[in-house]
Amino acid sequence: KAGVTQTPRYLIKTRGQQVTLSCSPISGHRSVSWYQQTPGQGLQFLFEYFSETQRNKGNFPGRFSGRQFSNSRSEMNVSTLELGDSALYLCASSFSGTNYEQYFGPGTRLTVT
Amino acid sequence: GQQVMQIPQYQHVQEGEDFTTYCNSSTTLSNIQWYKQRPGGHPVFLIQLVKSGEVKKQKRLTFQFGEAKKNSSLHITATQTTDVGTYFCAGRIIIQGAQKLVFGQGTRLTINP
Repeated sequence: KAGVTQTPRYLIKTRGQQVTLSCSPISGHRSVSWYQQTPGQGLQFLFEYFSETQRNKGNFPGRFSGRQFSNSRSEMNVSTLELGDSALYLCASSFSGTNYEQYFGPGTRLTVT
Repeated sequence: GQQVMQIPQYQHVQEGEDFTTYCNSSTTLSNIQWYKQRPGGHPVFLIQLVKSGEVKKQKRLTFQFGEAKKNSSLHITATQTTDVGTYFCAGRIIIQGAQKLVFGQGTRLTINP
């Protein structure tokens, strides 16, 4: 089975811009979760989608949003980028949710200048 | 604040020595997962513990879940250079009526060959 894929792998943006990240889960997995990883804060949960519905949400501002498509692919959007948004954004897929084994993708390294 | 505390933050050992990382929560965990992230890589699922007092072994790795389901540990016997990486615990906690997976800050293990 192909693993979780994320595109793009690296991104450089300027403050104030917006960005869209994409995640394709493992075939058959219906749950996709997004995490932000930074050296200072560790792994922070952003949100989880299951069957196109947001099932769970972390404590991030409304600038962070996401969606899931009928083929389980997911996108994450960050609007009005701030310097503090620089991080590794990881998506993880699982068969039915975070209560089960999650498979992480390689991540998208976002740098905001 | 951080609801799942993991210690130590860093650990450096000589190859062949044992290593232990601890995960503590002030509230009861429904279950706990452990992940390993190699330098430059993404988290990889190791195991999930669900039952009070559960102990699971994977070769040189021993995972324990406390009787009160508020703490967990990962012990590696006779470390090898392939064990290098950051080990994360992730506990499932009920926050504001919703179950959320909260990651510890991770323990970064380095090994002197």
